[in-house]
Amino acid sequence: AQKITQTQPGMFVQEKEAVTLDCTYDTSDQSYGLFWYKQPSSGEMIFLIYQGSYDEQNATEGRYSLNFQKARKSANLVISASQLGDSAMYFCAMRDHTGGFKTIFGAGTRLFVKA
Amino acid sequence: NAGVMQNPRHLVRRRGQEARLRCSPMKGHSHVYWYRQLPEEGLKFMVYLQKENIIDESGMPKERFSAEFPKEGPSILRIQQVVRGDSAAYFCASSPETHHEQYFGPGTRLTVT
Repeated sequence: AQKITQTQPGMFVQEKEAVTLDCTYDTSDQSYGLFWYKQPSSGEMIFLIYQGSYDEQNATEGRYSLNFQKARKSANLVISASQLGDSAMYFCAMRDHTGGFKTIFGAGTRLFVKA
Repeated sequence: NAGVMQNPRHLVRRRGQEARLRCSPMKGHSHVYWYRQLPEEGLKFMVYLQKENIIDESGMPKERFSAEFPKEGPSILRIQQVVRGDSAAYFCASSPETHHEQYFGPGTRLTVT
């Protein structure tokens, strides 16, 4: 069965430092997509980054990069040069062939950026 | 290009009333998904629709919940005879194709009193 696990309920990082948010997933499919979303206190869901299972390069989008380790089934989000505005909930998500069209979300990690 | 629009943003209903949540996808997007988020939890898939068709409703409760995406107009998530446990944030997302990333609306926060 498809599953997303985020083991860090909360994380603290100093402003301007890098932080890694962990995500592991479980699927028996070979074809799947991995996503990260940010949810600030205002509540909206903001798409950050996407990694396809067949992509050989790790995805990057500005200060966000996805550390994709297929054999370990992990898709960690790395945020470089943290900013105060990065304080939010972060959700890892997956969509695979077996799951059809639904996106499965992890429980989330709350990131606190300290000045 | 306007993003995904949802209304109302906040909805208060008494137990037993009906709740209607609306979602207008991004322009050019024909795929709509509804998710529910309980406090301090991740999003849970409810239903996936294309115009005039329900493609996957495996996450929808069997009773009281229904969804539609008519040929004209927004997608509607309807909850009949609401109970306190229906209190949650309901998010709509849209995508241009099945396997593309989904763009989320701001959500509707339903409170059942």
